[in-house]
Amino acid sequence: EAEVAQSPRYKITEKSQAVAFWCDPISGHATLYWYRQILGQGPELLVQFQDESVVDDSQLPKDRFSAERLKGVDSTLKIQPAELGDSAMYLCASSTQYNEQFFGPGTRLTVL
Amino acid sequence: GENVEQHPSTLSVQEGDSAVIKCTYSDSASNYFPWYKQELGKRPQLIIDIRSNVGEKKDQRIAVTLNKTAKHFSLHITETQPEDSAVYFCAASAANAGKSTFGDGTTLTVKP
Repeated sequence: EAEVAQSPRYKITEKSQAVAFWCDPISGHATLYWYRQILGQGPELLVQFQDESVVDDSQLPKDRFSAERLKGVDSTLKIQPAELGDSAMYLCASSTQYNEQFFGPGTRLTVL
Repeated sequence: GENVEQHPSTLSVQEGDSAVIKCTYSDSASNYFPWYKQELGKRPQLIIDIRSNVGEKKDQRIAVTLNKTAKHFSLHITETQPEDSAVYFCAASAANAGKSTFGDGTTLTVKP
């Protein structure tokens, strides 16, 4: 069964450093999402792509976060510089045209 | 934007009992309502969903009901088992827009 892939699974960094996360969606899924999940809360959408275009990045802190999906397949989320408050689980998901979202295993980020 | 409230935040039941989790949403344009199960340290997994043209949907021991007029939907789990213990998230989104707003989750504990 096809799954969304993410790497790395865990990342520890010091504040002010740059970090990058990678996501490979399920083949054929045109829509890709990046979420941030803080412990005890539901996932919060950071950015949504339709193919290579951003369709929603209203909750993305654009002064330090960036995301791209250049060829409309895999995607990278970057944080520069990382802050203590960025410690969270970063989840990638992809969906069919019918909105059914499938999540990757996530990247657990710890900023020291 | 959409606002989703989920109750209760924690729920403890005896094995074999039923469990009900409720969510309310604010945006009348929302018409897709999925439920996700997230076990500790794992990715959220879609367990059931409902669209606004349907009032109820069942899949074995789980069911979801939707009241569009009142803007609320509920997850029902019957004959609970210890392996049902997890965090459950509801979400709401508008068709084709894809953006899902999640509730804050319900931690379900099923006691053997």
